[in-house]
Amino acid sequence: GESVGLHLPTLSVQEGDNSIINCAYSNSASDYFIWYKQESGKGPQFIIDIRSNMDKRQGQRVTVLLNKTVKHLSLQIAATQPGDSAVYFCAENIRANTGNQFYFGTGTSLTVIP
Amino acid sequence: GAGVSQSPRYKVAKRGQDVALRCDPISGHVSLFWYQQALGQGPEFLTYFQNEAQLDKSGLPSDRFFAERPEGSVSTLKIQRTQQEDSAVYLCASTLGLAAAGYTFGSGTRLTVV
Repeated sequence: GESVGLHLPTLSVQEGDNSIINCAYSNSASDYFIWYKQESGKGPQFIIDIRSNMDKRQGQRVTVLLNKTVKHLSLQIAATQPGDSAVYFCAENIRANTGNQFYFGTGTSLTVIP
Repeated sequence: GAGVSQSPRYKVAKRGQDVALRCDPISGHVSLFWYQQALGQGPEFLTYFQNEAQLDKSGLPSDRFFAERPEGSVSTLKIQRTQQEDSAVYLCASTLGLAAAGYTFGSGTRLTVV
């Protein structure tokens, strides 16, 4: 899951297993969420998004689940591969805001063991 | 270009020095964002442009930080009288439209103030 502070949550999985990364978001007014993947030395890369009128969305090998009741978001990665090793961030947004800024969590570091 | 380009990739500045960080967004992208990412943390919003208009600068940490996008394409983030706490990766992102959507991030400029 996510935590505030300098210590990045970590998750290690065996290649081929499924991964689940969790995120607790802060603002009950947030209505749009994105998961980003950030590899070392690179900017965050868009993975998948979900709007608050949905509770599940699937992409290629990834699924995002949203539970607005407890303000929880999760990212599921199927058949995890070594190339999935990275830091994963959830980001929340209030679409009615003109600023269009996203608020990012601290991130979770995923390591895939070959 | 194909992606968001930032320069320089690395910058070492002596405390008190002024720096300028450049962002070339994807051609035609209307919205441009600057984020600051401290080590081990998620990106934090600094400022947002829609074309040449700076619509939100609420995240700029002090009046030493200044951003501009005079012709609605290239943007420059300037930091005056740099301090050690300014050390971070500065990320630029752009999107085609006006509404919140998945950004395309650049690889960032890593600023180290010594």
